[in-house]
Amino acid sequence: DSGVTQTPKHLITATGQRVTLRCSPRSGDLSVYWYQQSLDQGLQFLIQYYNGEERAKGNILERFSAQQFPDLHSELNLSSLELGDSALYFCASSPEPPTEAFFGQGTRLTVV
Amino acid sequence: GDSVTQMEGPVTLSEEACLTINCTYTATGYPSLFWYVQYPGEGLQLLLKATKADDKGSNKGFEATYRKETTSFHLEKGSVQVSDSAVYFCALTSGTYKYIFGTGTRLKVLA
Repeated sequence: DSGVTQTPKHLITATGQRVTLRCSPRSGDLSVYWYQQSLDQGLQFLIQYYNGEERAKGNILERFSAQQFPDLHSELNLSSLELGDSALYFCASSPEPPTEAFFGQGTRLTVV
Repeated sequence: GDSVTQMEGPVTLSEEACLTINCTYTATGYPSLFWYVQYPGEGLQLLLKATKADDKGSNKGFEATYRKETTSFHLEKGSVQVSDSAVYFCALTSGTYKYIFGTGTRLKVLA
């Protein structure tokens, strides 16, 4: 158990809809990262938050947004969903300075 | 920007064969280097890491040495088992505080 909790584990929704993925980092970790893993693809970095503020942005679509709350949990919002958004979405957290990233089990999103 | 390049898979080996998965990196400064493993249906787990040149990370029979002169961090194991079948990711983090991952190498070990 990495200590990073992601909910829900599975999500099936229709095109055009909006979903929210939730992540609780390890106790004490201030940094949260979001990654997208499509079928047979590597990990695409989406965005990083540190102590409530956006720190780094990767290949995140404009239809996607994220935030980190004062209790350090984070949410990734995906809107106007398309079939191509079907993927595994991972959250990770790390201490500061970063020694290693600890990953959650992921949320499998299926858009139908 | 920083990047990681690892060998494409899939890699298929017989049990007890030797494994090498190549990983090279490009980074400014002095990155920390990692190998993560992803078993089917699971998240990524840290396998081993190295934080400075010439460090050797090791775990569960896997090893990797941080080679600054060749900017490499190749993963090796002397004798693989069926239970090692998984996807292996090489990664780095540097001053940008992002973790940059390679594309992953799928390993299949046959009994």
